[in-house]
Amino acid sequence: EAGVAQSPRYKIIEKRQSVAFWCNPISGHATLYWYQQILGQGPKLLIQFQNNGVVDDSQLPKDRFSAERLKGVDSTLKIQPAKLEDSAVYLCASSYGGSGGEYEQYFGPGTRLTVT
Amino acid sequence: DAKTTQPTSMDCAEGRAANLPCNHSTISGNEYVYWYRQIHSQGPQYIIHGLKNNETNEMASLIITEDRKSSTLILPHATLRDTAVYYCIVREWGPGSARQLTFGSGTQLTVLP
Repeated sequence: EAGVAQSPRYKIIEKRQSVAFWCNPISGHATLYWYQQILGQGPKLLIQFQNNGVVDDSQLPKDRFSAERLKGVDSTLKIQPAKLEDSAVYLCASSYGGSGGEYEQYFGPGTRLTVT
Repeated sequence: DAKTTQPTSMDCAEGRAANLPCNHSTISGNEYVYWYRQIHSQGPQYIIHGLKNNETNEMASLIITEDRKSSTLILPHATLRDTAVYYCIVREWGPGSARQLTFGSGTQLTVLP
């Protein structure tokens, strides 16, 4: 089974520029997550989707970050304008979802963003 | 905030068992204990989870104390490829936002040749 795909793997931008990350979850997975992982820390959840609806975006800095999952499959995360402190690895994960049950999350390889 | 406490780092000799402890003294009755690991430059990988009974799969064993306030992840025969950061996470059972994982800083396990 194919895993979670993310692109690009690496991105270098200057502050105040914009950037977008793409994620394609495992086929059939209803739940999709975006995490931010700053060097030396564990991943921090930014946003959680169930199909194409947002379940939780309480930790998403909405003044500069946005995310969408229009058809309930792949998703994009955008930062505009970027700040130096946005330098991190952005991880996408998916899980089977559905009501009830316990389903582990499968993570993609991440996109390493460097803001200069 | 993460609800677990783990040592910052541990070493283990190759071929020996690696025992990674985790304290979760405030765990509630409907919370599971999950373990994930993250090998350098990769995304986290699910290892195992449990509620109150000990669990074993092809990767590891999870031992949860009777009072559920602590647990130990056991890698029975550690290899160099097991070098990673290991995260212990408690998570509620249920739909929606209850499925979120809150990662702490984890334990850096280094398997030595």
